[in-house]
Amino acid sequence: AQTVTQSQPEMSVQEAETVTLSCTYDTSESDYYLFWYKQPPSRQMILVIRQEAYKQQNATENRFSVNFQKAAKSFSLKISDSQLGDAAMYFCAYKGGTSYDKVIFGPGTSLSVIP
Amino acid sequence: DTAVSQTPKYLVTQMGNDKSIKCEQNLGHDTMYWYKQDSKKFLKIMFSYNNKELIINETVPNRFSPKSPDKAHLNLHINSLELGDSAVYFCASSQGSGIYGYTFGSGTRLTVV
Repeated sequence: AQTVTQSQPEMSVQEAETVTLSCTYDTSESDYYLFWYKQPPSRQMILVIRQEAYKQQNATENRFSVNFQKAAKSFSLKISDSQLGDAAMYFCAYKGGTSYDKVIFGPGTSLSVIP
Repeated sequence: DTAVSQTPKYLVTQMGNDKSIKCEQNLGHDTMYWYKQDSKKFLKIMFSYNNKELIINETVPNRFSPKSPDKAHLNLHINSLELGDSAVYFCASSQGSGIYGYTFGSGTRLTVV
C-alpha cells in the first residue's frame, strides 16, 4: 500500500526567508500525482501545488515550488520570501494513476513564520 | 459564492444521538468525498461518490452512511454517536478522479459529549 511520510512535524522560518518542507512516499506505480495542501488556522484546506509523476519539470506556483525526485520518491515544497500568511499545516498527498484511486495524505508539517 | 459548502460548521451532541452533515458543491464537479481529520490532524478518506455512485467505501463503522441525492450533494449521516467520532469532517469535490486536486469545504467540527 502507498504511504506518505513527512518527517518534520514542525518547522519555523523567518519572514522573507526560504523554507523547504520534506515529503517522501512509497509506491510501486510509475504513474501518479502528488500535491501539497495548506491548512491555515481557519481550517480550510487549500491546494498549493501539484505535480504529475511523468513530468520531469518541477512545478512552480508563484513563491511555491517543488523539488520532485522520482527515483528517490521525494517531493519537497520550497516556500520563498515567506510571509506571515504562510503559517499553516502543510500536507503532502499522493494519488495513484488508476482512476478513482484515493488520495493519501501525509501526517502534516506545522509551519510557523516568525516576524 | 462558496464552492463547497458544508453545514453545520460546528456540531455538539450527546453520545447515542443521530446527526447529519450536509455538503453541496456548485463547481459542476462529478465526484465528491468525505474525509475525517482526527485530533492529530491526520486526514483519512471515508467515502467517495462519482455521479451518485459509491466508488470508495473505506473501513468505516456501519453507523456512518453517506447519501448522494445528485452529483452536487453528498450528505453524511451518523447513527448512535460515540465519543471517538469527535473529529473534523471535510467534504471535498473534484472533476473526475481528482488528478487536478480537490476543492474542500471548510469542515464540520463534531464534538460528542
